[in-house]
Order: sequence, then structure tokens, then C-alpha cells
Amino acid sequence: DQQVKQNSPSLSVQEGRISILNCDYTNSMFDYFLWYKKYPAEGPTFLISISSIKDKNEDGRFTVFLNKSAKHLSLHIVPSQPGDSAVYFCAATNTGNQFYFGTGTSLTVIP
Amino acid sequence: DTEVTQTPKHLVMGMTNKKSLKCEQHMGHRAMYWYKQKAKKPPELMFVYSYEKLSINESVPSRFSPECPNSSLLNLHLHALQPEDSALYLCASSPIGGDEQFFGPGTRLTVL
Repeated sequence: DQQVKQNSPSLSVQEGRISILNCDYTNSMFDYFLWYKKYPAEGPTFLISISSIKDKNEDGRFTVFLNKSAKHLSLHIVPSQPGDSAVYFCAATNTGNQFYFGTGTSLTVIP
Repeated sequence: DTEVTQTPKHLVMGMTNKKSLKCEQHMGHRAMYWYKQKAKKPPELMFVYSYEKLSINESVPSRFSPECPNSSLLNLHLHALQPEDSALYLCASSPIGGDEQFFGPGTRLTVL
């Protein structure tokens, strides 16, 4: 049973525009959420995170929004750059040392 | 040092071979993980070590044998693998109960 879901396998965005990547989860016990970015043939790298006590966290061009009632989080990238083209994984944890990953969204930023 | 290193980067092995993957971190993390990742899929958890003891085994076949000789090292011993075991094998570490995992670059394994 997939506890973290990313329903859009791919997304294409024009350079300079906003990229919005979505993630849904089913387990209300999750209290920390992360986004990872992955280039081909490389391991995932941590991008940004949010605790369940917050509804927004911003780091430069990247902002993560959390809607606990909807069990939904999103990653906004503004402005999008060609170097942002990668697969983005959403992950969740209940600090039990198990991390649950979504299936990933492949973002292509078109120059 | 905020890096997880993995060796080798690439490994090609036959179904009768015995090989080992190595992972190392010097961040003082006491939780370490092995994941398997197939192309365009999320990482699948295989094993979790907490304080150098195996705490989670996600029903991984016995042809994969993990080992944690000390708090900085994690090995994955491979024996009699199948072609479908070809994948990217990722190591990760985190503080116990920590909220972020640090991933290594992975070992690309091909089983012929």
C-alpha cells in the first residue's frame, strides 16, 4: 500500500515560470516531509523539508507547502531553471527511522 | 564531512559470483540504510541498522546479506544474484530518530 503518492509522473515547464510538484499521503502519523531531487545515475539529494507543525517552508527558489487536513504537500520552484530538470521524490517519516517515498515526478524545464 | 561514500560505483557480476558493496559515513549517524532503486522508481528500503544492529529487514532474499562492522561502515554482501537484481543500490544514513537522510551516490549493479 503506497502511503506517499505523486500522481503526476512528469511535468514540463517553461524556463522562468513556476513549477508545482504535488504529493499526497495517507498516514496521519507522518510528522516530517522531505523533497529529494535526483539526477540520472546519481543518488537522491535532499532539497527541502517541512515539519508538520508548519504549513510553509521557503529556501531560495524552493517553497514547500503542507496542508495537513488534505494530507497534501507541494513543492514550488520559482523561477524554474533548466538545471532543475530532474526527478523529484516526496518522502515522509514519523521519526521512526523509516522513510516512505513517492514514485517521483520527472520535471523538465524547457529553455 | 557531510558525505556518504559508496564503492564501487559500478559492478558487473555473474550469477555465481560473490561480491560486496561498501558504504561509509563520518557524520556520527547511528542509523544506516540500504535501498534498491530500479529505473524511474522510488528507492525501496531493504535494510535498516540502528546502533550497528539490524533493526529492519524488508523481506529481502538471503542472497543479500548486510553487515555493519562499526558505526561508520555498512556492507552489503552479494551471492548468487539473479539478473532481476540489477539496479542502483543506495546507502543512506541519518541520526537515530532524525528527520533527514543523507544518501550516497549509489552502486550501479549489473548481474549477467
